[in-house]
Amino acid sequence: RKEVEQDPGPFNVPEGATVAFNCTYSNSASQSFFWYRQDCRKEPKLLMSVYSSGNEDGRFTAQLNRASQYISLLIRDSKLSDSATYLCVVPDTGGFKTIFGAGTRLFVKA
Amino acid sequence: DADVTQTPRNRITKTGKRIMLECSQTKGHDRMYWYRQDPGLGLRLIYYSFDVKDINKGEISDGYSVSRQAQAKFSLSLESAIPNQTALYFCATSDLTRPYEQYFGPGTRLTVT
Repeated sequence: RKEVEQDPGPFNVPEGATVAFNCTYSNSASQSFFWYRQDCRKEPKLLMSVYSSGNEDGRFTAQLNRASQYISLLIRDSKLSDSATYLCVVPDTGGFKTIFGAGTRLFVKA
Repeated sequence: DADVTQTPRNRITKTGKRIMLECSQTKGHDRMYWYRQDPGLGLRLIYYSFDVKDINKGEISDGYSVSRQAQAKFSLSLESAIPNQTALYFCATSDLTRPYEQYFGPGTRLTVT
């Protein structure tokens, strides 16, 4: 099992839709999780940090399910500008490095 | 001005050439990282440094070397470039207190022919 796995998508949704991505991880000892956003050919940027059961920031909600070892990212009322690749990130076993998922691509259409 | 800068932004080089990618940051972070990104594979860690005297190999360090010239500067070298090192390279930094919240440079697109 890969350390971090994501559905590559793409997810194609209309403006205003609600969309959710899942990310599974293998290290049951992980305590913190992160979602990054990456626009095409640009650098990844931190979107949300999850240090407990979940986090919410405006239209974005991240939830953690420790029993099943996955985190999810929910985007409500999707905007055209939400079109990007969303990277799931989990610290590695040693705690010194971050493991990046390959990303989920989202396209929001008018 | 950007907090993390990388030079060059694009580079085309030939097999066997030595090339250096440079990274500078103004965030005052101690930790710096070099990643490469290939389609479908996500970001993979090449090297990381916790301070000027502490440099560590990542998961794919073969064929690469690094130098931490100062807290603010971290360079990546390809001693003898090969075509499968064609990729997008990112430098990143993080603070000691929040090591997993990383700030990335704009990337260097490297093509080895």
